[in-house]
Amino acid sequence: GNSVTQMEGPVTLSEEAFLTINCTYTATGYPSLFWYVQYPGEGLQLLLKATKADDKGSNKGFEATYRKETTSFHLEKGSVQVSDSAVYFCPSEGGTASKLTFGTGTRLQVTL
Amino acid sequence: DTGVSQDPRHKITKRGQNVTFRCDPISEHNRLYWYRQTLGQGPEFLTYFQNEAQLEKSRLLSDRFSAERPKGSFSTLEIQRTEQGDSAMYLCASSLTGGVVVSPLHFGNGTRLTVT
Repeated sequence: GNSVTQMEGPVTLSEEAFLTINCTYTATGYPSLFWYVQYPGEGLQLLLKATKADDKGSNKGFEATYRKETTSFHLEKGSVQVSDSAVYFCPSEGGTASKLTFGTGTRLQVTL
Repeated sequence: DTGVSQDPRHKITKRGQNVTFRCDPISEHNRLYWYRQTLGQGPEFLTYFQNEAQLEKSRLLSDRFSAERPKGSFSTLEIQRTEQGDSAMYLCASSLTGGVVVSPLHFGNGTRLTVT
């Protein structure tokens, strides 16, 4: 089945620093890929997605490119803010059920 | 806002009591999922519905758990004879199927259950 390996946290950055959270996948075929974000006390929000190779998803200054050659979907942001402090998830897609399987996520803490 | 709505947001109950949570998905979404999330972990899949049919249940879903989606719209998740280990955030998500592309799941804000 499909699976993802996500960079472990926590990640602590100063405001305006560059962010990369690594996510690599193994899959048969070409799964859709997603990044979700969970702010404290809230549910998960879809941050961005990509459905095919070379697609770039972007939202709120975050970007991730579906790279087939490296089987990666790394999340990047050029200048993080304190308000970006949250847990970020790169789930794997579970075949015909469209079911997403989540790991423990990567906690990001941004300080002033 | 027509996102996924969950009720209640918080529930505190004594061990052995029954609890029921409700989820209202995005109106045009035909799939509805339940997940459970404990502190410091990612969400774990419990079950999902396509319209009113419950198509998959995780082995995490013991006999004390039952979920329904009677008219293919809202869903309820009931836990009977609650145990302290049931304390968690229960998340509902919905999606729209169609084509070969995975439809993103849209999550509600969850119901936090505390069993004392």
